[in-house]
Amino acid sequence: SQTIHQWPATLVQPVGSPLSLECTVEGTSNPNLYWYRQAAGRGLQLLFYSVGIGQISSEVPQNLSASRPQDRQFILSSKKLLLSDSGFYLCAWSVWGGPYNEQFFGPGTRLTVL
Amino acid sequence: GQQVMQIPQYQHVQEGEDFTTYCNSSTTLSNIQWYKQRPGGHPVFLIQLVKSGEVKKQKRLTFQFGEAKKNSSLHITATQTTDVGTYFCAGAGGTSYGKLTFGQGTILTVHP
Repeated sequence: SQTIHQWPATLVQPVGSPLSLECTVEGTSNPNLYWYRQAAGRGLQLLFYSVGIGQISSEVPQNLSASRPQDRQFILSSKKLLLSDSGFYLCAWSVWGGPYNEQFFGPGTRLTVL
Repeated sequence: GQQVMQIPQYQHVQEGEDFTTYCNSSTTLSNIQWYKQRPGGHPVFLIQLVKSGEVKKQKRLTFQFGEAKKNSSLHITATQTTDVGTYFCAGAGGTSYGKLTFGQGTILTVHP
């Protein structure tokens, strides 16, 4: 069966510090991968998606970046965090191609920037 | 770009009452999906609707996809406290990338 891992679960970082969040998927190959951010009590904002190793598409301009160094590894990074980067970061995967593209979410990382 | 609007933003009900949330897309969708997020948790896939006019049921939950494939609804009959959470609709535009546009969600509170 497939599983998706995210770490850390919670993170408190000062403004201006770097960020690295990691997501890994097990039990599937060549998944589509996604990073979302969710502000408190709000919807899901798609930040990045990837259809393959090294292929990253950005959905919104921001000071975050994403990388996919391996097939089932997706990393979200920032060189300098802003207060507005606080939120709940969710990684998700879906099967590549086909009409049935439900997404499976990881447990998320709660980031607080102080 | 594609926008998905969801109403209401909040819904408070007494246990046993019914609940409905509505979703409208600015463009025709290839499919629409519904997710539930429990407080403090992550979204969990509930169902996918693909065909125009499709209706699917899961126990007390009924999902509908509009004839024009631009709107959808989720109806819960006789809510229970276990139904508490945020319900999201998410529309797919049909690309192989599997990108979804999520609605803002409806936060459901059920009072015992």
